Amino acid sequence: AQSVTQPDIHITVSEGASLELRCNYSYGATPYLFWYVQSPGQGLQLLLKYFSGDTLVQGIKGFEAEFKRSQSSFNLRKPSVHWSDAAEYFCAVGVRGSGNTGKLIFGQGTTLQVKP
Amino acid sequence: DGGITQSPKYLFRKEGQNVTLSCEQNLNHDAMYWYRQDPGQGLRLIYYSQIVNDFQKGDIAEGYSVSREKKESFPLTVTSAQKNPTAFYLCASSIFREFLAKNIQYFGAGTRLSVL
Repeated sequence: AQSVTQPDIHITVSEGASLELRCNYSYGATPYLFWYVQSPGQGLQLLLKYFSGDTLVQGIKGFEAEFKRSQSSFNLRKPSVHWSDAAEYFCAVGVRGSGNTGKLIFGQGTTLQVKP
Repeated sequence: DGGITQSPKYLFRKEGQNVTLSCEQNLNHDAMYWYRQDPGQGLRLIYYSQIVNDFQKGDIAEGYSVSREKKESFPLTVTSAQKNPTAFYLCASSIFREFLAKNIQYFGAGTRLSVL
């Protein structure tokens, strides 16, 4: 069955420190991978995506992610965290259905807290 | 400004009552989606629509109904058959009606539904 696992429910980092959020997926075919961010009480905004090609992808707000097929992972990183990065982060995999259908499967989310 | 508008922001449901959540988009997107978000469970797909007058069940459609009479509108009704409706509901849209697995989804700000 297709699934996405974000092992860390809650992470706290100091402002200026580096960040890595983990994401593992289970999907039999080549995955389409996404990272979204959600501020409290708001909708989700796309940070970055991976479809094919270079396995290191750059996104908005200084985020990047690396696709590792051998580890079924798509971890999100940022070299220096800002207080405004405090939010909930969701990893998702796009799975193909019959015909031209398909859907996103989301992980449980990781809440990032930033200490001053 | 183009975007997705969900209303109301907060909604309260009485026992045995049906309530309807509004979702309107002015992005001229073909596909629209409804998700339910519960703490620690990520987002789960309720219904989606690729084209006007057509929609498909997602993973947790029981107790919900939708309609797609206009391209820009995709209302969700939470019926009395949904025994645990308290959650945060998110509407999303994507440009294309095909290849849904790799469509970037754009989200509204959500409706928080509670039971009285």
